Parts: sequence; structure tokens; C-alpha cells
Amino acid sequence: DAKTTQPTSMDCAEGRAANLPCNHSTISGNEYVYWYRQIHSQGPQYIIHGLKNNETNEMASLIITEDRKSSTLILPHATLRDTAVYYCIVRAQGFSNSGYALNFGKGTSLLVTP
Amino acid sequence: EPEVTQTPSHQVTQMGQEVILRCVPISNHLYFYWYRQILGQKVEFLVSFYNNEISEKSEIFDDQFSVERPDGSNFTLKIRSTKLEDSAMYFCATEEQGSEKLFFGSGTQLSVL
Repeated sequence: DAKTTQPTSMDCAEGRAANLPCNHSTISGNEYVYWYRQIHSQGPQYIIHGLKNNETNEMASLIITEDRKSSTLILPHATLRDTAVYYCIVRAQGFSNSGYALNFGKGTSLLVTP
Repeated sequence: EPEVTQTPSHQVTQMGQEVILRCVPISNHLYFYWYRQILGQKVEFLVSFYNNEISEKSEIFDDQFSVERPDGSNFTLKIRSTKLEDSAMYFCATEEQGSEKLFFGSGTQLSVL
């Protein structure tokens, strides 16, 4: 799997948009970009994923550059409960008889302040 | 929303003892995973399991570890002879075929004394 690079930490004011960047310059054509988060040692939580098109769901938006070498996770209106470690992960697709492991890095520690 | 259930939430054991960590997957999920997280460190992949076989395993998953799904529901991780360095939070995750999303349980905190 391609490696990702994320800032170690970021701050965001409550109610503002949180924009979390991720570089994945060695991503392969069959690898998706995933975002997960972990709130205070709870189990990681799926947020969103995409291949090349921008994606949006009830939690966040994912913007992937045209060359797919970087992406940004956007939390449109951050709340205190969004304080967590956010992981950007690239993962190959194509199940045959095996699920591909998610390989977590160190992620970005996002602190949402009042 | 369906949840992955892990038991026990906390397990304290003596070094050298065997432990079994249990996971009840979400119904209809076919892919199962174990991860661990040592305090203050990143989440590490241990093993993936599909169709009653190990699909992939990391270097951490040595002969002391084993997984099985004995009764078609529970998915278990066994550590045969625990070591101090096995102390960690162990997370089970499951995935529905085609969903491309892993759902994680809340973890079992294992403390080896």
C-alpha cells in the first residue's frame, strides 16, 4: 500500500470548517483513499472514502486532486465531539478471497476548541 | 446501527497464561480483522480472516497467536502464552463484502502482569 503523509496536529474553532490534508503521492491506480477517525482510544470509525471523484456524506466531504496525489477531508461545521485522531489511508480494492488490511499511520490529531 | 461487539472489555492476565478475546461480528459481514494498539502508539494490523481461513497476517501475528470462528458467530483471537509486550487494546473489525468499510468494535484492553 502507498504511504500517506499528514500533519501531526491541527486546531479548529467550533463551528468552523476543519480541512485536513493528506499527501499520497505514490498512490496506485487501484487504491482508494479512506478516512477514519479515533476518538480517545475508542475503535476507529469510518468516515468516507473515494477513488478519484469528490465524495460527500453526512459526516464529511472528501476532495481528491485530479492527479490523486493528495486529498483533503472537510468537516463542514466542526463540533467539540469531532476532536479525534484522523487517519488518511490508501487501500487496494478487489476482493477475491481476501480482504485487504487497512494500515494506519500516526494520523492528524484534531483539536476543536470552543 | 449494527455494532461489532467485543468481550471482555478488560482482561488482566499473568505472563505465560493463555487468553481468548471474543468478537461478535455484524450479521452478514464476511471479512474479519484483528488489530491492536499499544498505549500511545498507532493502530497495528494483526490478521484478516475470510471463509474460515487467514487471508493476510502481519509480522506481529506469530505462532503465539491464532484466530478462529468456532461456532459461525464468534470470531476469536487466542494468545497462547502472553508476554508483557502483549499488553494493548485489541480491536476486532468486520466488513461486508463489497461495502469497502471496516466497522470496529470498542476493543478489549489486555493487561499482562
